[in-house]
Amino acid sequence: DAGVIQSPRHEVTEMGQEVTLRCKPISGHDYLFWYRQTMMRGLELLIYFNNNVPIDDSGMPEDRFSAKMPNASFSTLKIQPSEPRDSAVYFCASRKTGQSAGYTFGSGTRLTVV
Amino acid sequence: SQQGEEDPQALSIQEGENATMNCSYKTSINNLQWYRQNSGRGLVHLILIRSNEREKHSGRLRVTLDTSKKSSSLLITASRAADTASYFCATDKGNQFYFGTGTSLTVIP
Repeated sequence: DAGVIQSPRHEVTEMGQEVTLRCKPISGHDYLFWYRQTMMRGLELLIYFNNNVPIDDSGMPEDRFSAKMPNASFSTLKIQPSEPRDSAVYFCASRKTGQSAGYTFGSGTRLTVV
Repeated sequence: SQQGEEDPQALSIQEGENATMNCSYKTSINNLQWYRQNSGRGLVHLILIRSNEREKHSGRLRVTLDTSKKSSSLLITASRAADTASYFCATDKGNQFYFGTGTSLTVIP
C-alpha cells in the first residue's frame, strides 16, 4: 500500500485565490481526518469523516474552509478565499475501525498564501 | 480540552544516552499514543497504550501510563542521531485523537 497520498506537496498562492488540497486515504480505512499544523497552534483537527460522511467539523476555522469526501478513496479540503493566516501544513490521516495501530498520516501539503 | 501537553518542549542529548519525554492530559482516555515527526514529514505512529495498561515496550521504546496522574512517559533508550525528531502524544476518546504540542528531540552524534 502506498500509504495516505496528499497533493500537492507544496502550494503557493496569492491572497484571495481558491486553494484545493487533495487526499487519498489507505484503501479499507473508514475514517479520514484533516489536520492543520502551525508553530503557534500545533496540530489542530479541522474535520473528520466516517464512511465518507462528515462527523465533526467543529474545528473548521471559518466558512472559507470546506471539505468533501465524495467516495471512500478521495477527499478535498478547499479554502476560498485564501488568506495569509491560512499558511500552514495541512495533513490528511486515515484509520480503520478497531485498528490499534493509530492513524496513518500523509506527508502533508505546505500551503503558503502571499 | 483533552489535548496533551508534552514536557520538555525541547531536549538535546548525546548519542547513546536515554531520552525521556512526558505527556500530561486533562480528561479520561481510552488510549494514549505516541507519534514521531521528522522535519518536513507527516507523523508516524510509534506505540499505543490502553488505559488499562501501565507499561508497554517496543524495541528501544518504553511507554508508561499513569491514569491516576493523567500522565504518560516515553523513554527512548540508547538514542541514535536518527531519533532526532519531534515527538507527540495523542489522547483519544471515541474516534478523535487530540495531539499535544510536542517535544523536539535532538540527538548529537
